[in-house]
Amino acid sequence: EAQVTQNPRYLITVTGKKLTVTCSQNMNHEYMSWYRQDPGLGLRQIYYSMNVEVTDKGDVPEGYKVSRKEKRNFPLILESPSPNQTSLYFCASRFLAGGQTQYFGPGTRLTVL
Amino acid sequence: AQTVTQSQPEMSVQEAETVTLSCTYDTSENNYYLFWYKQPPSRQMILVIRQEAYKQQNATENRFSVNFQKAAKSFSLKISDSQLGDTAMYFCAFRVDPGTYKYIFGTGTRLKVLA
Repeated sequence: EAQVTQNPRYLITVTGKKLTVTCSQNMNHEYMSWYRQDPGLGLRQIYYSMNVEVTDKGDVPEGYKVSRKEKRNFPLILESPSPNQTSLYFCASRFLAGGQTQYFGPGTRLTVL
Repeated sequence: AQTVTQSQPEMSVQEAETVTLSCTYDTSENNYYLFWYKQPPSRQMILVIRQEAYKQQNATENRFSVNFQKAAKSFSLKISDSQLGDTAMYFCAFRVDPGTYKYIFGTGTRLKVLA
């Protein structure tokens, strides 16, 4: 089954404790992206990647890191999480060409205390 | 800067009726894509419909259709014969093509379909 998977689905952590949210897709998509969703703000793009070793900032990259060492994986790293990073996070992927549909993962609910 | 505005935070509609969700956007680009996404209580993001800016014909997908007004930078979603399963948050989104691969989302409209 074609899908985007994220782990963990739920995470409660404390300020300053490094964490990684994994994202994996099995559709051979070149493009992958991370978003955060906050009430009243909609989805905002954090980082995106157009292929292996090619990443770029979205609108809210501060406090996040990403890497794209393999085509299927695009982990989101919070090196020193803070309470303002409490949010719902989505990973998404798609083929690069044209208006290809973007497929979303199930979301990760992160709470930073 | 490109922006997407959804001015209706919440809406409700009776089952089997028609409802229209509004979306306006701002860009100086000529080629772009517009999208409507549905997010039911399960939180899964589902693409409802997509419109290419160079196409004059409005996109339709079964009970879902759009009214795309390029000059007015308006992209509304019409849901006909509303069903209880249409209850969800709806997001309008925009992407320039070609060029950057950034997506800009609106703040969402929460739609409730009433029995």
